[in-house]
Amino acid sequence: EAGVAQSPRYKIIEKRQSVAFWCNPISGHATLYWYQQILGQGPKLLIQFQNNGVVDDSQLPKDRFSAERLKGVDSTLKIQPAKLEDSAVYLCASSSRRESGNTIYFGEGSWLTVV
Amino acid sequence: SQQGEEDPQALSIQEGENATMNCSYKTSINNLQWYRQNSGRGLVHLILIRSNEREKHSGRLRVTLDTSKKSSSLLITASRAADTASYFCATDPAGTALIFGKGTTLSVSS
Repeated sequence: EAGVAQSPRYKIIEKRQSVAFWCNPISGHATLYWYQQILGQGPKLLIQFQNNGVVDDSQLPKDRFSAERLKGVDSTLKIQPAKLEDSAVYLCASSSRRESGNTIYFGEGSWLTVV
Repeated sequence: SQQGEEDPQALSIQEGENATMNCSYKTSINNLQWYRQNSGRGLVHLILIRSNEREKHSGRLRVTLDTSKKSSSLLITASRAADTASYFCATDPAGTALIFGKGTTLSVSS
């Protein structure tokens, strides 16, 4: 079974530029998550999708971040304009159900450096 | 917001020794999970313990949960160099998405 795929793995941009990350979850997984992990910290949830609907985006900085999952499969996370503090790893994850106790499967992450 | 808080932040041991890391959390939970993250990689699920369980084993892993103290511990027995990684506890206080702690960085030297 293929895992969660993310691209690009690494990206360096200047502040105020834009960047987009792509994620393809495990086949059949209805729930998709984007987490932000700053160096030395644990992952922080940015947004959770159930199929193509948003379940939780309370911690997504909506003035600069946007995410979509139009067909309920793959997803794109965009940052525009980027700030220095956006330097982090962006982890996509998926699970088969959204209920409590579900195992979440993570991709390898997209590393963003904003200079 | 961070729900779990791991302790210690960093732990260095020799191969063959046991490693114990602790997690404290703030609100009531349905279950608690532990994940491992190797340097530069994504997180991998290790074990889940439900709120009505007190102890669970999986291979060299032993997890305990004390809901009265809102704390959990992860014990790795007979550590190996390959266990070198960061370990995170995660809870789902709202019943859906996991909230992670800051992690414990474990270094096992041979």
